[in-house]
Amino acid sequence: NAGVMQNPRHLVRRRGQEARLRCSPMKGHSHVYWYRQLPEEGLKFMVYLQKENIIDESGMPKERFSAEFPKEGPSILRIQQVVRGDSAAYFCASSPSGQLNYGYTFGSGTRLTVV
Amino acid sequence: SQQGEEDPQALSIQEGENATMNCSYKTSINNLQWYRQNSGRGLVHLILIRSNEREKHSGRLRVTLDTSKKSSSLLITASRAADTASYFCATDTGRRALTFGSGTRLQVQP
Repeated sequence: NAGVMQNPRHLVRRRGQEARLRCSPMKGHSHVYWYRQLPEEGLKFMVYLQKENIIDESGMPKERFSAEFPKEGPSILRIQQVVRGDSAAYFCASSPSGQLNYGYTFGSGTRLTVV
Repeated sequence: SQQGEEDPQALSIQEGENATMNCSYKTSINNLQWYRQNSGRGLVHLILIRSNEREKHSGRLRVTLDTSKKSSSLLITASRAADTASYFCATDTGRRALTFGSGTRLQVQP
């Protein structure tokens, strides 16, 4: 049971490029949550997905950001035309159901640096 | 201010001492959870306390919840250098995702 796998661990992009962050949930987990963490701050909710469905994207910026969780394969967080302010750690968490009375299992994160 | 604010922001203690961190929140909750984050790593779930519970223990961890004051505390007894990390509370408010606080950075000096 490999846990939540995120890749890449570190990603450097130039301004204007695209960043694609991948998250494979724990085996048996069909609910995925993406959070962003700025240095020395807490986690800010971005989007919650279930297989093939976006359930809640209220924390996602309206432009340049998108997320998907296809029937097969990992969940993808995509940031188009990155800007310096997108530099942050992006964490994915998974849970076996949408009920929040289970703890999340987090991945180790992707640290995005925009230069 | 945000749902789930930890206090203090930073705490430095000696090995063997107890560490107490507090979390205040604003809206009613179904449960409250505590997580630990080691530097450069993801968060690890420590303990969950439901709204109808007042106290919970897990090893050297003790969590209390006071719903009348909308606050929770995390006590780590007999701290070790390995406890050095950031600690976050997270609330289940009936929304579809947990809301995290800004964390307490704990430094345990050997």
